[in-house]
Amino acid sequence: SYVLTQPPSVSVAPGQTARITCEGNNIGREGVHWYQFKPGQAPVLVVYDDTNWPSWISERFSGSKSGNTATLTISRVEAGDEADYYCQVWDNNSGQKYVFGSGTKVTVL
Amino acid sequence: QKQVVESGGSVVQPGRSLILSCAGSGFTFNSYAMNWVRQAPGVGLEWLALISFDGSEKRYADSVKGRFTISRDDSRKTVILQMSSLRAEDTALYYCARDLLEYRMTYGMDVWGQGTAVTVS
Repeated sequence: SYVLTQPPSVSVAPGQTARITCEGNNIGREGVHWYQFKPGQAPVLVVYDDTNWPSWISERFSGSKSGNTATLTISRVEAGDEADYYCQVWDNNSGQKYVFGSGTKVTVL
Repeated sequence: QKQVVESGGSVVQPGRSLILSCAGSGFTFNSYAMNWVRQAPGVGLEWLALISFDGSEKRYADSVKGRFTISRDDSRKTVILQMSSLRAEDTALYYCARDLLEYRMTYGMDVWGQGTAVTVS
């Protein structure tokens, strides 16, 4: 089955830039989506299809992709950005299904 | 306001069945694919199942294929997850989520509920 690998944790100071990676074989073939997940709340879609963000999301969130790695970048990090972040793709190669990454805990120092 | 609300979670014995429901409101329900996602304690998100906007296509994660069935009743704006042969490892918070784009799939999920808890014990 398809595997998406994320670093377990990323720490960043307020005002700095956080980068969260998501590695997967041939990830370039599929659109990558990113979710922010805070305890006790529903997940929030922050980037979809690699580089697009929903209208309700701050432009501080951006997505990119190169080779087998997708990256979520959070600019000018704020305390409220502290959360778990998950990448996701639609795997067309092994059964047509969504796959989530392992998740990254972002800590704002 | 677009929202989905899950219900039906409870404590159930191993091997038994359970039905979860998800009611949508504030959007044209029959225009969107719907999903079920879960998070077990201390574990990340796991996608479980998807049903297309018209119900013609259904997809399942390998972990639940053959045990879980997704369906929809557009007259009631509801999507259902029938779970059978439940195991301890099915213990989780179960979320319902709407796919982002009308009449499409695979572009992520933008409307999520607060989840309904299932404990298999």
